[in-house]
Amino acid sequence: AQTVTQSQPEMSVQEAETVTLSCTYDTSESNYYLFWYKQPPSRQMILVIRQEAYKQQNATENRFSVNFQKAAKSFSLKISDSQLGDTAMYFCAFIPYTGANSKLTFGKGITLSVRP
Amino acid sequence: GAGVSQSPSNKVTEKGKDVELRCDPISGHTALYWYRQSLGQGLEFLIYFQGNSAPDKSGLPSDRFSAERTGGSVSTLTIQRTQQEDSAVYLCASSLAGTSGLKEQFFGPGTRLTVL
Repeated sequence: AQTVTQSQPEMSVQEAETVTLSCTYDTSESNYYLFWYKQPPSRQMILVIRQEAYKQQNATENRFSVNFQKAAKSFSLKISDSQLGDTAMYFCAFIPYTGANSKLTFGKGITLSVRP
Repeated sequence: GAGVSQSPSNKVTEKGKDVELRCDPISGHTALYWYRQSLGQGLEFLIYFQGNSAPDKSGLPSDRFSAERTGGSVSTLTIQRTQQEDSAVYLCASSLAGTSGLKEQFFGPGTRLTVL
């Protein structure tokens, strides 16, 4: 079984600054995908970024990038130039590579507030 | 529609009553998932449908919970004899099917269930 841990329940950042959200996971799988999802007050889950475990290069999507440390089972999200619209809950999630339609395993999430 | 839709958006019910929550997946998506998001918790997997295969019900918390998917499209999650601990946001997701590669799950806006 997989577990995903997000130990920080809340974080706050000043607009235009950089913030890093932490996530660790535990699995016996060797190949898997990791995700960060954003959930604004509208409740709509939005995929922010994903990382394939077999790729050493860290994924980037505009202002969002990850620091993937496979040996340490760590997957942090860095948000650069924070914007007010980044205020939301952020969830880290895991899915094994085998069985491509397997269920996602989520962390408990972190509430990020961006201050003007 | 363009995305996953869910109805109702909000549901308030009295303890002991039955409720039905509906999910309409993206057209052409044969995989459908239900997740539950309780206050302060991450998303918890409930059930997964894939085409005509038997559903994966391993996440259903009790026999009061059931789900069906008619015609391989719309799904209904039914909770019988609701309890206060059933209060949560119920999220539905859908994805394409296949035996290889990652099939991204697209989420609906969820139904917020409140049991009084």
